Amino acid sequence: NAGVTQTPKFQVLKTGQSMTLQCAQDMNHEYMSWYRQDPGMGLRLIHYSVGAGITDQGEVPNGYNVSRSTTEDFPLRLLSAAPSQTSVYFCASSYGQASSTEAFFGQGTRLTVV
Amino acid sequence: GEDVEQSLFLSVREGDSSVINCTYTDSSSTYLYWYKQEPGAGLQLLTYIFSNMDMKQDQRLTVLLNKKDKHLSLRIADTQTGDSAIYFCAEWGGSYIPTFGRGTSLIVHP
Repeated sequence: NAGVTQTPKFQVLKTGQSMTLQCAQDMNHEYMSWYRQDPGMGLRLIHYSVGAGITDQGEVPNGYNVSRSTTEDFPLRLLSAAPSQTSVYFCASSYGQASSTEAFFGQGTRLTVV
Repeated sequence: GEDVEQSLFLSVREGDSSVINCTYTDSSSTYLYWYKQEPGAGLQLLTYIFSNMDMKQDQRLTVLLNKKDKHLSLRIADTQTGDSAIYFCAEWGGSYIPTFGRGTSLIVHP
């Protein structure tokens, strides 16, 4: 059981480049989300999805796009990378409404934009 | 909107107890969680408490919930160097996604 898999683990981009961070889960979870983690800022929600075909913005959506064509995959696209997007990105998934079950996190993607 | 606050740093000596505090604003919170993040890794669920409970104990961990004051704490007894990590408080109630605090970095000195 792989859980939540994020690729790549590390990435360096030049300003203006675009790329897609991949996230896949094999637990048939309805809810998936993307966070960025910056020092002193904790986790900030970028986008989330409550099911295939449904996405919504979180706290810091600007500069990022998402889509949810399947239950398993939730890619995060950086349209035109900026140094301010240098961060560690985490994908998470969960069954659905608040419950005693946990949100499962991937291992993170460390992105540097130069 | 919902807000979860916690202090950023806590430093303790090995063998002492650690207490990490958290306050939240969402009165509809159903579950409250503590997640642990070790260096270079993602978050992992440490423990959780349902909102109708006021205490939960799990080996060295004790979670206390004061629902009236919207205050949650995590006590780690006999803290070890392996407990050094970032601890995130999170609440989940009426929204689709849990709301996380900024995380408390626990530093354990030998």
